[in-house]
Amino acid sequence: EIVLAQSPGTLSLSPGERATLSCRASQSVSSSYLAWYQQKPGQAPRLLIYGASSRATGIPDRFSGSGSGTDFTLTISRLEPEDFAVYYCQHYGISPGTFGQGTKVEVK
Amino acid sequence: EVQLVQSGAEVKKPGESLKISCKGSGYSFTTYWIGWVRQLPGKGLEWMGIIYPGDSDTRYSPSFQGQVTISADKSISTAYLQWSSLKASDTAMYYCARHRGGTYRGAFDYWGQGTVVTVSS
Repeated sequence: EIVLAQSPGTLSLSPGERATLSCRASQSVSSSYLAWYQQKPGQAPRLLIYGASSRATGIPDRFSGSGSGTDFTLTISRLEPEDFAVYYCQHYGISPGTFGQGTKVEVK
Repeated sequence: EVQLVQSGAEVKKPGESLKISCKGSGYSFTTYWIGWVRQLPGKGLEWMGIIYPGDSDTRYSPSFQGQVTISADKSISTAYLQWSSLKASDTAMYYCARHRGGTYRGAFDYWGQGTVVTVSS
């Protein structure tokens, strides 16, 4: 089973700033089967990025994903007020498709 | 429009059985994997397992194998998650979600609204 470690646990930033979130896998994630989700309180998660770097339908281009192998990054170029939330990475190349523990992006 | 609509909140006692549902619409239900994800109160997301409704091929996380049963009735476009004997530690929000692209290796692109399960004596 692949274990995903996200860092930092909490990111305190101001609107307009750049956010960089990390996801490290315990072994190589094949063919970049890595996704990122956003979850706001009381809501279901929303798919942001799949295939490590492809934006899901309707996702603004301030969200971008990069990385391969064991190290992946989600970048939010300029934080908007609605971007403050918890973000999860997930690998889905093999079963089980585990999630990272999440990074909370909070208002500084 | 793709939709996954889950059954309502449940309050059960330890030892009771439960089956919650997830009805898909707006797409070909039989050709997309559906998964179940648990979220304990205040905690992160946990991948429980997935099912391919077309032939009921099912995969479980080792953490949930033997603890729950995932099934589907393709005639009514509905997936299920069931317990035979609930524990207090099963208290959580449960989400169903669809694999993007209909493939075994798929990110979850559409999610249900979630079903809260509370197990308490």
